[in-house]
Amino acid sequence: DGGITQSPKYLFRKEGQNVTLSCEQNLNHDAMYWYRQDPGQGLRLIYYSQIVNDFQKGDIAEGYSVSREKKESFPLTVTSAQKNPTAFYLCASLHGSSYNEQFFGPGTRLTVL
Amino acid sequence: DAKTTQPTSMDCAEGRAANLPCNHSTISGNEYVYWYRQIHSQGPQYIIHGLKNNETNEMASLIITEDRKSSTLILPHATLRDTAVYYCIVRVGRKQGGSEKLVFGKGTKLTVNP
Repeated sequence: DGGITQSPKYLFRKEGQNVTLSCEQNLNHDAMYWYRQDPGQGLRLIYYSQIVNDFQKGDIAEGYSVSREKKESFPLTVTSAQKNPTAFYLCASLHGSSYNEQFFGPGTRLTVL
Repeated sequence: DAKTTQPTSMDCAEGRAANLPCNHSTISGNEYVYWYRQIHSQGPQYIIHGLKNNETNEMASLIITEDRKSSTLILPHATLRDTAVYYCIVRVGRKQGGSEKLVFGKGTKLTVNP
């Protein structure tokens, strides 16, 4: 089945540690996105990538980093510089030219202790 | 991208139609109306989108007023599994050179009751 996978579903880290969230898609989509969602709030864009080896900052990129070495993969690293990292993180992808809707993964809930 | 206004919450009886309104009075001529929903602790799911004509798919219908300043998402026979937060978003279509970003507000929390 085609889709977007994020792993793990729940992640716990100690304060001050960097952590990398995985996002993989087998939809052959060109663009990929990372969003953050806090309780009772909408989604906020962290980073996005339209093609391999290229990415742009979203609205809240500080304290995060990404890479796009393969079309299928867009990992997000939450660094120790992110002041409030505990949140629900969502990855999404979008076909390059034919479609307008983004497809979302199931999300990773990160808790920093 | 234009902003949208949605009620914070709504209730609907199972089996009845759920009509979710959205105001987008500042929408511009090349902006589409998109609807997504998010079931608790899952990723958002695309439902439908439209420009000015009414649209229908297997999930829902989208009614856009003639002046395009508001729209209504209709779930014709709501089930308990339709309980979710519904987001109305307006943006220029990507093929029309629109932004990559989807700006999600707080949406409408729809509760379908037995």
